[in-house]
Amino acid sequence: QKEVEQNSGPLSVPEGAIASLNCTYSDRVSQSFFWYRQYSGKSPELIMSIYSNGDKEDGRFTAQLNKASQYVSLLIRDSQPSDSATYLCAVRRNSGGYQKVTFGTGTKLQVIP
Amino acid sequence: DVKVTQSSRYLVKRTGEKVFLECVQDMDHENMFWYRQDPGLGLRLIYFSYDVKMKEKGDIPEGYSVSREKKERFSLILESASTNQTSMYLCASRTGQRFTDTQYFGPGTRLTVL
Repeated sequence: QKEVEQNSGPLSVPEGAIASLNCTYSDRVSQSFFWYRQYSGKSPELIMSIYSNGDKEDGRFTAQLNKASQYVSLLIRDSQPSDSATYLCAVRRNSGGYQKVTFGTGTKLQVIP
Repeated sequence: DVKVTQSSRYLVKRTGEKVFLECVQDMDHENMFWYRQDPGLGLRLIYFSYDVKMKEKGDIPEGYSVSREKKERFSLILESASTNQTSMYLCASRTGQRFTDTQYFGPGTRLTVL
């Protein structure tokens, strides 16, 4: 079982719709959860972080965390063509005194105009 | 704004060459990381450093070494480049070990080994 799992997609949504991206993780002691956006040929850019159960909203983005079920999701409201990118889920936990970050392989999102 | 820079965006080397990839951050971050990213495999940690002259192996250190002589600079070295090291290499830095600390990436170096 992978430490962090994401559906590779592509996930296609029409412009203006809600895009829902999901991520599951295997280690129950994970503490921090991140969503990065990566445009083709570019480096990952942090868009959301979440540390406690529930929802966290930032503009059109909402991160949702459910530690009991070990999943974290990202909702993008009013999706725009500029949101088309690969979204990486990252999970951080304490490992041997260090904060170890494990990334999922990413979900490719396509927003259709 | 945090700035992480990498020495080259694109690099082409021949098999057997020694390759240096350099990363510099300007935010006095303690932790620095080297990843490689390959299609279908995602981001994989090669090495990281939590302080000057300190280094720790990540998940795939074989064929690589690192150097951190100054806090702001973290170098990745391919002693004898091979074609299976063709990849996108990403450097990142982070303040410390608190679980809320944010990790920032550099622009990446796309390395091709012929």
